[in-house]
Amino acid sequence: SQQGEEDPQALSIQEGENATMNCSYKTSINNLQWYRQNSGRGLVHLILIRSNEREKHSGRLRVTLDTSKKSSSLLITASRAADTASYFCAPLPGGSYIPTFGRGTSLIVHP
Amino acid sequence: SAVISQKPSRDICQRGTSLTIQCQVDSQVTMMFWYRQQPGQSLTLIATANQGSEATYESGFVIDKFPISRPNLTFSTLTVSNMSPEDSSIYLCSVYSEKLFFGSGTQLSVL
Repeated sequence: SQQGEEDPQALSIQEGENATMNCSYKTSINNLQWYRQNSGRGLVHLILIRSNEREKHSGRLRVTLDTSKKSSSLLITASRAADTASYFCAPLPGGSYIPTFGRGTSLIVHP
Repeated sequence: SAVISQKPSRDICQRGTSLTIQCQVDSQVTMMFWYRQQPGQSLTLIATANQGSEATYESGFVIDKFPISRPNLTFSTLTVSNMSPEDSSIYLCSVYSEKLFFGSGTQLSVL
């Protein structure tokens, strides 16, 4: 199974700034999902983008997918201190039913 | 969607003892998954728990160390047996329905 590789590993910004996290993967996918984890607790699903979609929005979140480059990005606009968390991408390969996870991006938003 | 109740939320255990983690789902699901997240690491899939049959373990994980029960479609347990300090991790159960839903995690410290 493949996992996404997030970049950067850590990101520190001021409240109000935008945060961009990137994800790369290796093989073709059905969809790619982004999750958030607060303080080592359970992960929460943020957004799913299908392989035939290029961009998706959900509130302050914007996700892009470039299947030719096997990459995705997550943009959080107008960040808040409450956005401080780890963010994981999880590509779902074709024929698989369970996504796998990279090490994530640790985001700190300073008030 | 699915709501998962996981307990205990944390425990501190002595070397050589065993701990059983429980997960209860508010709906019937075919497969439940158990993950481990070591400090600063990504989530690693331990096994898939199937109702009515033995769990399917990933490479590096064995039934003797991590026995799993799945007595019905809404409940599963994972036991961490004969614990050592290397077992100190967060353990997470999850179910998959186009996306993963997670329990709140069990933070285990082994002294």
